[in-house]
Amino acid sequence: KAGVTQTPRYLIKTRGQQVTLSCSPISGHRSVSWYQQTPGQGLQFLFEYFSETQRNKGNFPGRFSGRQFSNSRSEMNVSTLELGDSALYLCASSLAGVSGHGYTFGSGTRLTVV
Amino acid sequence: EDKVVQSPLSLVVHEGDTVTLNCSYEVTNFRSLLWYKQEKKAPTFLFMLTSSGIEKKSGRLSSILDKKELFSILNITATQTGDSAIYLCAGALSQGGSEKLVFGKGTKLTVNP
Repeated sequence: KAGVTQTPRYLIKTRGQQVTLSCSPISGHRSVSWYQQTPGQGLQFLFEYFSETQRNKGNFPGRFSGRQFSNSRSEMNVSTLELGDSALYLCASSLAGVSGHGYTFGSGTRLTVV
Repeated sequence: EDKVVQSPLSLVVHEGDTVTLNCSYEVTNFRSLLWYKQEKKAPTFLFMLTSSGIEKKSGRLSSILDKKELFSILNITATQTGDSAIYLCAGALSQGGSEKLVFGKGTKLTVNP
């Protein structure tokens, strides 16, 4: 079966711009979680979507938002980019968003803000 | 505040050595402890642990959870250069009707030939 697909793989943006990242989960999976990975903080939870509803949110400012479509594909948006937003953004696909079902990660989008 | 602490942060060994990676956690509404291997970008699943004292094993890798002392270890025996990676430990906790993972900062393992 196809894995988790994240696009684009790389992005370079300027401070103040906004960006949209996409995640297509494994077919049949209805939960998509997003994580930010930086060298200093490691992986940090952004939010989780299940059946088009945000069920859980991490401690990130409101500039970080997301949504999920009826086909379970998810997008996250970061507005008014800051240098500190440079990171690897990973999404994780799960059948129902519980560890018993497992989480499969995509290869991520590397965002660089200049 | 929920937190997961891994040690050591980095480790350099020679092929054939045995290594033990540590993970301690303080997580409310704990559900499980997960181990992942991250070589380039996508973390790949290794183990999920929910019960104390039951060792999970996969080839040269094994892991165990102690829910009383709130820690887990990941053992790798007869290390190979292909084991070089960042090993991530995550606590899964229930929150807001769903679940989220709280990750440690990882242990970077380098296996030299």
